[in-house]
Amino acid sequence: DAGVIQSPRHEVTEMGQEVTLRCKPISGHNSLFWYRQTMMRGLELLIYFNNNVPIDDSGMPEDRFSAKMPNASFSTLKIQPSEPRDSAVYFCASRPTVNTEAFFGQGTRLTVV
Amino acid sequence: KQEVTQIPAALSVPEGENLVLNCSFTDSAIYNLQWFRQDPGKGLTSLLLIQSSQREQTSGRLNASLDKSSGRSTLYIAASQPGDSATYLCAVIDNTDKLIFGTGTRLQVFP
Repeated sequence: DAGVIQSPRHEVTEMGQEVTLRCKPISGHNSLFWYRQTMMRGLELLIYFNNNVPIDDSGMPEDRFSAKMPNASFSTLKIQPSEPRDSAVYFCASRPTVNTEAFFGQGTRLTVV
Repeated sequence: KQEVTQIPAALSVPEGENLVLNCSFTDSAIYNLQWFRQDPGKGLTSLLLIQSSQREQTSGRLNASLDKSSGRSTLYIAASQPGDSATYLCAVIDNTDKLIFGTGTRLQVFP
């Protein structure tokens, strides 16, 4: 398996623009996470899906952020409108089921100017 | 609220040394604990997963222990090599079923 695949790897956008980050989890994995990593705050959980259903979105910073998982092989994280403080590395992770080993993608480095 | 702390924040050692990284968590009601390494500009690579019923897990030169009652885990790296240089992160999975990460330990092993 190719592992968790995220795209794009890098994204530079202007403030106010819409940004969509994409994630393909490992085939057969039922749980998916979106994390954000910054120097100041470390790794923060944004949202957690299980069997394509959002279980916990309490980490989503505000209404500008939304996430979807239309099927077991694809998820998106959208920011609209983007702001400079959204600049960070966004990671997607998946695992087979609850309480199993989690695997991370290579991340998307987002810069909002 | 679960909080995870890693000490030290940074560590620099000569090649060949055995070393220990620490991870502490405030709520002992965890399901398992996972150790990761992260190279600069890269994603997280899973190293070891310890289930709550286990006390120890080994992979090559790595050995992780778990003491739930005291809220601690350690990652032991034997005979360190320059290639071990990275940031090491621990994450606990508690009854919310989410991975809650520590602050990380930045390790540098010099020749």
